[in-house]
Amino acid sequence: EVQLVESGGGLVQPGGSLRLSCAASGFTFSNYWMTWVRQAPGKGLEWVANIKEDGSEKNYVDSVKGRFTISRDNAKNSLYVQMNSLRAEDTAVYFCARDLSPCFNSTTCYDAFDIWGQGTMVTVSS
Amino acid sequence: AIQMTQSPSSLSASVGDRVTITCRASQGNRNDVAWYQQRPGQAPKLLIYAASSLHSGVPSRFSGSGSGTDFTLTISSLQPEDFATYYCLQDYNYPRTFGQGTKVEIK
Repeated sequence: EVQLVESGGGLVQPGGSLRLSCAASGFTFSNYWMTWVRQAPGKGLEWVANIKEDGSEKNYVDSVKGRFTISRDNAKNSLYVQMNSLRAEDTAVYFCARDLSPCFNSTTCYDAFDIWGQGTMVTVSS
Repeated sequence: AIQMTQSPSSLSASVGDRVTITCRASQGNRNDVAWYQQRPGQAPKLLIYAASSLHSGVPSRFSGSGSGTDFTLTISSLQPEDFATYYCLQDYNYPRTFGQGTKVEIK
């Protein structure tokens, strides 16, 4: 079965750190871009970061640049996000997602997050 | 960052209704838009990518259209399982940005 399972969420004080993990199974993890998306309580979705298949390219939303680091270990079929200097506004459910990256004419590719984990809750509060 | 403005923010509809949700991008982005459905307490599900390509396994009552700045998700005949929140997402440039969501409720 193709699935993603997040872990590592919890309660952390402002200024603290947390590392989230996303374990992949049922597919060749190293063939896919991977993405983190978050959702604050009662709010909409926010794209956080993504990483290329081999880890050579990473992109972030401005609000987490310099504080969050996305990484992956293809040998362990795992995606990570190291979150430092956490703020109250980082409180959210964090989802990892696989990007199908469908391409047309071998030149134009798109994002398509086809597999999602169940999410892990991060609460930043004193 | 490209802003994606969805409308309406919520709507009430009956089973069998045709429903249209729109997303307007703050700048042109070809056809780099996807649509997701999220039911309460669940992870989002991919419906449409590249503005109009139906993801495998998604019912054909869902369709997407548009290019440039204006995009539309249409549900041709609303079913009970379609009551959920829908989000557009632009993947033209970074950072990717979602619309604020459209909640489809039962009338």
